[in-house]
Amino acid sequence: ETGVTQTPRHLVMGMTNKKSLKCEQHLGHNAMYWYKQSAKKPLELMFVYNFKEQTENNSVPSRFSPECPNSSHLFLHLHTLQPEDSALYLCASSQDHEQFFGPGTRLTVL
Amino acid sequence: GNSVTQMEGPVTLSEEAFLTINCTYTATGYPSLFWYVQYPGEGLQLLLKATKADDKGSNKGFEATYRKETTSFHLEKGSVQVSDSAVYFCALSEKGSTLGRLYFGRGTQLTVWP
Repeated sequence: ETGVTQTPRHLVMGMTNKKSLKCEQHLGHNAMYWYKQSAKKPLELMFVYNFKEQTENNSVPSRFSPECPNSSHLFLHLHTLQPEDSALYLCASSQDHEQFFGPGTRLTVL
Repeated sequence: GNSVTQMEGPVTLSEEAFLTINCTYTATGYPSLFWYVQYPGEGLQLLLKATKADDKGSNKGFEATYRKETTSFHLEKGSVQVSDSAVYFCALSEKGSTLGRLYFGRGTQLTVWP
């Protein structure tokens, strides 16, 4: 049990759908992250939040919209995705320099 | 800038074989170094870490030593098991940064056969 949970674990959506991924951490950490993990590609850092403020956005398309309502919750809102967005989306949290990861959401875009 | 380079996989070994996965880094300061492991269908888990030169991180029979002179943090295990089959990621984090931002290597797939 890493203390970071993600829901749903699996998601299949069409290109016109709108869905949201949820991440929750019970570790009292101040920083939270979204990563994208695609087959045959390096782990990609998408967004970083520190104390609920977005501090990093690595040129992520606007069809991905993060939300951090408090230090324990992080959402990734999805709309009009493309098939190439199919991947494992990982959430992580940290207090110092050690990150704790959730199990990920396996997203398939049809 | 900061970057991590680790050996390309996949690595395939028989049970009880010796494992080495090479990792070298480039950093602007004095980073902390990590090895993460990802088992099939799961997220990344911290395997071990070292925060300063000559430190040795160890866990579950795995070891890695922080070598500043060669900017390396190679992962080793003396006798691998089938249950060690996973993807291994080397990573660094810059000390002094306000966030624990990690810079990851590309990952090395390890498969251990009985």
